[in-house]
Amino acid sequence: NAGVTQTPKFQVLKTGQSMTLQCAQDMNHNSMYWYRQDPGMGLRLIYYSASEGTTDKGEVPNGYNVSRLNKREFSLRLESAAPSQTSVYFCASIRTTLGELFFGEGSRLTVL
Amino acid sequence: QKEVEQNSGPLSVPEGAIASLNCTYSDRGSQSFFWYRQYSGKSPELIMSIYSNGDKEDGRFTAQLNKASQYVSLLIRDSQPSDSATYLCAVRGDNNDMRFGAGTRLTVKP
Repeated sequence: NAGVTQTPKFQVLKTGQSMTLQCAQDMNHNSMYWYRQDPGMGLRLIYYSASEGTTDKGEVPNGYNVSRLNKREFSLRLESAAPSQTSVYFCASIRTTLGELFFGEGSRLTVL
Repeated sequence: QKEVEQNSGPLSVPEGAIASLNCTYSDRGSQSFFWYRQYSGKSPELIMSIYSNGDKEDGRFTAQLNKASQYVSLLIRDSQPSDSATYLCAVRGDNNDMRFGAGTRLTVKP
């Protein structure tokens, strides 16, 4: 069982470059989430998609865009990367009836 | 702004002791509450969920919820060195957002 798959696992960008983090889940979950984790900051919600076709801002959406491509896939795009976006990014999906989040392995992004 | 607050620690307990972790939340409409454990460099993993007031026990773990006080706690009995990790409190809002506290780092000393 693959669960939640994120790509890439590591990425180094220069300031101003763009990139997309990909996330896919094979558990038929309705809701998907993107978080960033910085040292001492816990997980901060960037965007989430409660169901296919909907997206909502979380706590820290500035500088990011998302696309819920279909029920399986939820991508996160950085249009013009900044050093402040250096972080570990986690994608997660939820089994709505029980509310448990299933996480991907994380993507470590460094912006120089 | 919906907030989830945890005492950041670090918290250090001797092996075999009880570790107590606390969390408060601001959104009174929240219905689901979770504790995740995260080892360094790894993804968070669920250890407890609780949905109604009172206590919920699972092995060495007990979650406590008091919605009137907007307070969730986690007790770890007979703490083991393998319990050393960061513990994250998560709260699910009524619009399906899931927000986390900053986490409490626990160290269990042999």
